[in-house]
Parts: sequence; C-alpha cells; structure tokens
Amino acid sequence: EAGVAQSPRYKIIEKRQSVAFWCNPISGHATLYWYQQILGQGPKLLIQFQNNGVVDDSQLPKDRFSAERLKGVDSTLKIQPAKLEDSAVYLCASSVFSGGDTQYFGPGTRLTVL
Amino acid sequence: DAKTTQPNSMESNEEEPVHLPCNHSTISGTDYIHWYRQLPSQGPEYVIHGLTSNVNNRMASLAIAEDRKSSTLILHRATLRDAAVYYCILRGGAGSYQLTFGKGTKLSVIP
Repeated sequence: EAGVAQSPRYKIIEKRQSVAFWCNPISGHATLYWYQQILGQGPKLLIQFQNNGVVDDSQLPKDRFSAERLKGVDSTLKIQPAKLEDSAVYLCASSVFSGGDTQYFGPGTRLTVL
Repeated sequence: DAKTTQPNSMESNEEEPVHLPCNHSTISGTDYIHWYRQLPSQGPEYVIHGLTSNVNNRMASLAIAEDRKSSTLILHRATLRDAAVYYCILRGGAGSYQLTFGKGTKLSVIP
C-alpha cells in the first residue's frame, strides 16, 4: 500500500514570496491533516479535512495560510506571503476516519524562508 | 488538552530493553494513551496505544499504571533503527480526537 505522498521535499524562498505544498493521502482515507513542525518541537496541527470539508482550522494563520481539498482526495497548502518564522517542516497525514483513528504521515516538506 | 511529561532524552545500548516513561497526572477517564515516534528526516509513525490494560504489538509494549497517571513504552530489544523522538500523546474520547504533540523523548541507541 502506497503511503502519504508529499512534494516538494525541500523548498527555499525569499520572505514575502508565495509557496505551495501538495499532499496525496493514502487511497480511501477520508481525513487529511496538515501539520507544521518547527525545529526542535513536535508537530502542530494547522488544519483538518474530512473529505473536502474543513473540520478544524483554528490554528491556521488565515491571513497568510490557505488550504484546500477540492475533490476530497489530494490537498494543497499555500503560504502567501511567507515570513521568516514560517521556516519549518510541513507534514501531511491521513486517516481512514477522524474518530481516534491512526494517522499516517508523509515525509514532509522542509521550507526555508530567507 | 491533558498534558504529558517526558524526559528530553534517553540513551540505550543496542539489543537491550528500553523503558520510555510518560507522566499524565491530569488524564481523564476517556483519554487514550498514544505513542508515536519520529525517525530522523521522516514524519511521525504510530507505535501503540491503550486505555487501561497493558498492550503489546510487534513494535513495542505499553504498560499503563493502575491509576493511569503514568505509562511506559517498552522496546524489548533496541536496534539502531529505533533511534528516534518518541511522543506520548493523550487522545480524547468523544469529540476530541486530535493529536497534540509535545517535544517528546529523543532516544539514542549506542552500538
């Protein structure tokens, strides 16, 4: 079974530029999560989708971050414009359901903002 | 969210058992205890979870104190591949299923 796919794996941009990350979850998984992991810390949930609807985006900085999952399968997370403090690893995870189910994580995208 | 406390780091010799502790004194009756680990340059992966009884799977064992205020993840024979950050997470019952990660315990395995 293929795991969660993410691209790109690495991205370097200048501050105030825009960037987008892509995630393809495990086939059949209804729930998709985006996490931000700053160096030395544990992952922090940014947004959770159930199919193509948002379940929780309370920790998403909505002035600059946006995410969509239009067809209930793959998802895109965008940052516009990026700040220095956005440098982090962005992890995508998926689970069959949202109710206490095991989450399967992708390898992440490492973003460096200069 | 109920909080967990873990040591920042631990060391183990290869092929010896490892006991990773976690304190969760404010755990509620419906909170499950989950463990995930994160290998270098990878996303976290599920290890094990339990509610009240001790649990075993192919990766590890989870020992839960009778009062549920602490638990221990047991790796029976540490290998170099087990070097990772281990996260102990309380996952709520109905309506609160999110994973809230702390800083975890960084396990180093010495050959």
